[in-house]
Amino acid sequence: KAGVTQTPRYLIKTRGQQVTLSCSPISGHRSVSWYQQTPGQGLQFLFEYFSETQRNKGNFPGRFSGRQFSNSRSEMNVSTLELGDSALYLCASSLGPGAEFSYEQYFGPGTRLTVT
Amino acid sequence: DAKTTQPPSMDCAEGRAANLPCNHSTISGNEYVYWYRQIHSQGPQYIIHGLKNNETNEMASLIITEDRKSSTLILPHATLRDTAVYYCIVRVPIKAAGNKLTFGGGTRVLVKP
Repeated sequence: KAGVTQTPRYLIKTRGQQVTLSCSPISGHRSVSWYQQTPGQGLQFLFEYFSETQRNKGNFPGRFSGRQFSNSRSEMNVSTLELGDSALYLCASSLGPGAEFSYEQYFGPGTRLTVT
Repeated sequence: DAKTTQPPSMDCAEGRAANLPCNHSTISGNEYVYWYRQIHSQGPQYIIHGLKNNETNEMASLIITEDRKSSTLILPHATLRDTAVYYCIVRVPIKAAGNKLTFGGGTRVLVKP
């Protein structure tokens, strides 16, 4: 069974630009969550999507947004990039609420974004 | 979700058991204890979880104290590949609050030959 895939793996952008990151969950998984990891703040929850609806949201500005498609694939977008947005962005998938083993989240390798 | 406290780092000898403590003194009755680990440059990996009974799987054992205010993750025979940052997370059930995980600083475990 293929794991969670994230594209691209590495990205370099300039301040003020926008970026879109993609996540393909494990087949059959319907919940996708996004996290930001930085050396200073550690791992922080961004948002969670289930059935194309945002179910949970962390404390991030509106420049961070996401969406989920009918095939459960998800994208996150960051507009007007700032230097502080440089981070590893991780996507995690799980079966979703109501499933017996929904507590297990499977993380992808992440997209490392560098903003210059 | 309740806050957790873990030692920032610990060393362990290869082949020996590694005992990772976690304090969660403000845990509520319906909150579970989860453990994840993150090997360098990879995404976090689920290890184990429990509510109040001790749990064991192929990766590790989880011992939760009777008052549930602390727990210990046990890696029975640590290998070099177990070198990672280990996160103890306390959270309410998925159905109640979705899949949000609140990560603390974790314990950086170094397994030495």
